[in-house]
Amino acid sequence: GIQVEQSPPDLILQEGANSTLRCNFSDSVNNLQWFHQNPWGQLINLFYIPSGTKQNGRLSATTVATERYSLLYISSSQTTDSGVYFCAVPGRSGTYKYIFGTGTRLKVLA
Amino acid sequence: DGGITQSPKYLFRKEGQNVTLSCEQNLNHDAMYWYRQDPGQGLRLIYYSQIVNDFQKGDIAEGYSVSREKKESFPLTVTSAQKNPTAFYLCASSIGGTGGYTFGSGTRLTVV
Repeated sequence: GIQVEQSPPDLILQEGANSTLRCNFSDSVNNLQWFHQNPWGQLINLFYIPSGTKQNGRLSATTVATERYSLLYISSSQTTDSGVYFCAVPGRSGTYKYIFGTGTRLKVLA
Repeated sequence: DGGITQSPKYLFRKEGQNVTLSCEQNLNHDAMYWYRQDPGQGLRLIYYSQIVNDFQKGDIAEGYSVSREKKESFPLTVTSAQKNPTAFYLCASSIGGTGGYTFGSGTRLTVV
């Protein structure tokens, strides 16, 4: 089945710094989602981005499906950005079975 | 406000007992999902349902059962056959199979 790898596994930033999180996947996909899991466990959908670039405030995401990767950019990081960031892709084209990566754990220091 | 409600937030189970986790959504989403998350790990799919009265096994369905009698509801039963049920359980929904997910706030299940 498709493999999803995220890097780096852990990241510590000073408040105000920028960062880039990467998601690599082993097969072609037609959808990709990015999520943020806060320290209390709640998962929030950040982006639904099968291709191209999207921006939402300080966050933006780019997916290059032909090269099998996606990037999540966080600018001017805040302590509230701390948590775990997951990407997820469908197991097969059109399937309901999304495969989640193992996540990037981000800690932003005040 | 529309969303997904999971209950309870914390659940303790004695060995040999079945327990049922509730998941209700008012988003009018067709598809619903159950995921399991172990500490420091990603999410693994237990079961999913595309429409009412239909559901399919995910990657780790053994020891779990579900029902989908109403569009709004997708309860998960953790049976005594599940050997290691202590985990964080997350319910999600989407408009279709490729729509963006909305997650509930989760249920932490502990076997005592």
